[in-house]
Amino acid sequence: EPEVTQTPSHQVTQMGQEVILRCVPISNHLYFYWYRQILGQKVEFLVSFYNNEISEKSEIFDDQFSVERPDGSNFTLKIRSTKLEDSAMYFCASRLEGRDRAYFGPGTRLTVT
Amino acid sequence: SQQGEEDPQALSIQEGENATMNCSYKTSINNLQWYRQNSGRGLVHLILIRSNEREKHSGRLRVTLDTSKKSSSLLITASRAADTASYFCATDALHGGGSNYKLTFGKGTLLTVNP
Repeated sequence: EPEVTQTPSHQVTQMGQEVILRCVPISNHLYFYWYRQILGQKVEFLVSFYNNEISEKSEIFDDQFSVERPDGSNFTLKIRSTKLEDSAMYFCASRLEGRDRAYFGPGTRLTVT
Repeated sequence: SQQGEEDPQALSIQEGENATMNCSYKTSINNLQWYRQNSGRGLVHLILIRSNEREKHSGRLRVTLDTSKKSSSLLITASRAADTASYFCATDALHGGGSNYKLTFGKGTLLTVNP
């Protein structure tokens, strides 16, 4: 089965630092997403990306967050100045068509100290 | 806003028993997907049921969808200790124009299967 990959698997950073979470979606997929899950809570939508632009973003996705697909294979999530409350598992997902099954990566656990 | 809400929040059963988890949502959907998550791990896709389908099977899993009641159920038959995990439903629906679909997850059901 095709896989979405994410790096790193775990990132520890200090409050106020910038982090970049990386994802490699499935190669022919067109729709890309970031979700996050704070420990013990539900999976929350952050942003969707299609045709090289954001198609929707949630209230969580404020000016500190940005996404990029720099080279046609990677899909990145940047948090400019991390806060303690950004500590969570971040999942990347992709799908071929908007109504297809979404394929999720294994997640990056971000710990902000 | 639409949202999948699972019921019960937690379910504890004995190995060999069946486990049923329910999901309710509020607005029209294109499809509904069920995921499994072991503690602290990634999301494993279990099954997708489209809005024009009423029932789907995959191995020991059976999913039903009732769009008139805006509800779905996931049945795991002959449960095993290895089925212990959190189970989430996620509703997939169009947001805005074009083909901008978004998955919205519920809070999940924590299933414990005792050996």
